[in-house]
Amino acid sequence: EAQVTQNPRYLITVTGKKLTVTCSQNMNHEYMSWYRQDPGLGLRQIYYSMNVEVTDKGDVPEGYKVSRKEKRNFPLILESPSPNQTSLYFCATLNRESGGYTFGSGTRLTVV
Amino acid sequence: GQQLNQSPQSMFIQEGEDVSMNCTSSSIFNTWLWYKQDPGEGPVLLIALYKAGELTSNGRLTAQFGITRKDSFLNISASIPSDVGIYFCAGPNYGGSQGNLIFGKGTKLSVKP
Repeated sequence: EAQVTQNPRYLITVTGKKLTVTCSQNMNHEYMSWYRQDPGLGLRQIYYSMNVEVTDKGDVPEGYKVSRKEKRNFPLILESPSPNQTSLYFCATLNRESGGYTFGSGTRLTVV
Repeated sequence: GQQLNQSPQSMFIQEGEDVSMNCTSSSIFNTWLWYKQDPGEGPVLLIALYKAGELTSNGRLTAQFGITRKDSFLNISASIPSDVGIYFCAGPNYGGSQGNLIFGKGTKLSVKP
């Protein structure tokens, strides 16, 4: 089954404690992306990657890092999380045939 | 920059009713996408539209790509409780990277049994 897998689904952490949210896909898609979803603001792109070792900033990259060492994985790294990064995060891959994204199930992050 | 405006923001309807929602933009799109997000899950692609005037159905869902290419509509007929969720429109972000999508802020649908 074609899927995008994120872990963890839920995470509560403290300010300043580094964390990584993993994302893995089994569709061999080149393009992967991270979004955050906040009430009233919708889905906003954090970072994206057009292929292995190619990453770039989206609309709200501050406070985040990503890496793309292999095609299937695209982890999101928060070096020093802050409360304003409390959000619902989605990883997505682009299906170039449909032009649409396949999303993971989301990671709900709370930073206290 | 590009923006997608969805309306209404929320809807409360009775089971069995038909639903209409729309999405408008100040700029032209070549692709319109409609997604549904179930509570606690990621958005799932419902319908993709690629040509002005195109009308596409997926079960009880019908979406249309507006003639002006600046709008799109999604209709749900005979709603049922599992239609509950947030519906997003999306289109290519021509000001961003290839593959980048922009999303409307969503229409939240509640269905009363």
